[in-house]
Amino acid sequence: GESVGLHLPTLSVQEGDNSIINCAYSNSASDYFIWYKQESGKGPQFIIDIRSNMDKRQGQRVTVLLNKTVKHLSLQIAATQPGDSAVYFCAEKSASAGGTSYGKLTFGQGTILTVHP
Amino acid sequence: ETGVTQTPRHLVMGMTNKKSLKCEQHLGHNAMYWYKQSAKKPLELMFVYNFKEQTENNSVPSRFSPECPNSSHLFLHLHTLQPEDSALYLCASSQEVWGLSPLHFGNGTRLTVT
Repeated sequence: GESVGLHLPTLSVQEGDNSIINCAYSNSASDYFIWYKQESGKGPQFIIDIRSNMDKRQGQRVTVLLNKTVKHLSLQIAATQPGDSAVYFCAEKSASAGGTSYGKLTFGQGTILTVHP
Repeated sequence: ETGVTQTPRHLVMGMTNKKSLKCEQHLGHNAMYWYKQSAKKPLELMFVYNFKEQTENNSVPSRFSPECPNSSHLFLHLHTLQPEDSALYLCASSQEVWGLSPLHFGNGTRLTVT
């Protein structure tokens, strides 16, 4: 079946460095992508989203890049802080009618980001 | 505050017990979801409600019974669970089921079945 996966299960960085978390997706019909952050003891928290008609979207200290040609999504965190330590999930959705995955948000396994002071 | 409140935060129950998980969203959304999060597994969609109507049952065993009395409240009734049902159960809401809007999650109920 279709799935969303992550290249790296863990990522360790120094405080102040930039972090890049990658995600590969396999459903070519996906047209909406979301990044979530999950801290220990909490539910996933929405960070940023991007639609398939865009290649890049920026938020506060975060940037999401979408490469539809190779079905790749990345989350860049600038000046990473210890508070950014968490598990990061990408999720994808086909919002276009039709197909068994229509309307369903599918999550990857997650990447553990650890920021060292 | 996420706008989605789940109670209880922790629950320990025996296999013969009956308990319920509660979720309430204060975001004015029309869709609500139950997800299961187990260790080393991606989030698994369980149920979807759109305007109080169930639109998705992702092959969930009948020992899990959802209830959605209105667009703001969602329950998950549990009975005769198995130890492998121990997990974090997450409730989420979104503006609509279809279309381009993100899900907003509660902090979950950590369920332990003994």
